[in-house]
Amino acid sequence: DAGVIQSPRHEVTEMGQEVTLRCKPISGHDYLFWYRQTMMRGLELLIYFNNNVPIDDSGMPEDRFSAKMPNASFSTLKIQPSEPRDSAVYFCASSFGQGILRKNTEAFFGQGTRLTVV
Amino acid sequence: QKEVEQDPGPLSVPEGAIVSLNCTYSNSAFQYFMWYRQYSRKGPELLMYTYSSGNKEDGRFTAQVDKSSKYISLFIRDSQPSDSATYLCAIHASGGSYIPTFGRGTSLIVHP
Repeated sequence: DAGVIQSPRHEVTEMGQEVTLRCKPISGHDYLFWYRQTMMRGLELLIYFNNNVPIDDSGMPEDRFSAKMPNASFSTLKIQPSEPRDSAVYFCASSFGQGILRKNTEAFFGQGTRLTVV
Repeated sequence: QKEVEQDPGPLSVPEGAIVSLNCTYSNSAFQYFMWYRQYSRKGPELLMYTYSSGNKEDGRFTAQVDKSSKYISLFIRDSQPSDSATYLCAIHASGGSYIPTFGRGTSLIVHP
């Protein structure tokens, strides 16, 4: 398997524009996580899905953020409208089982999307 | 105060040195402890995990947990330039969601 695939790798957009980040989890994984990483706040969980259903979105900062998982092999994170403070690296991760507990259920991270809002 | 505190560094050491990376946490319900390694412009990857106080060894890496002090450490022996990365501690409670709380990460630089 190619691992978790995120696109685009880099995104530069103007304030007010809509941004859509994409993620393809590892085949067979039933959990999918969206994280945001900044120097100031570190790695923050935004939302996670189990079997395509959103379980906890309490980390989503504002209504401008939304996430969907229409099927087991695809998820999107959308920011509309984008603001400069949304600039960060966004990671998608997937796991089999409620991961991260043991090596065989660990969450695998994608390479991230570096978002810059100017 | 964040639930998991970690000095961001950077920590710069010569090749061959013993490295000590540390985290403190505030929630005594935390029972599972992990260390992730993140190379520049990559996603984090799980390095080690443990769920008890004491030491756990894996090659040159040793994870140590002191629940009484709410303090966890990662030791790297005979550090190599390839160990240069950001190390994040991650901790979560025993019940309910197994979604961890991450520290901010410590940047480690091992110079030849």
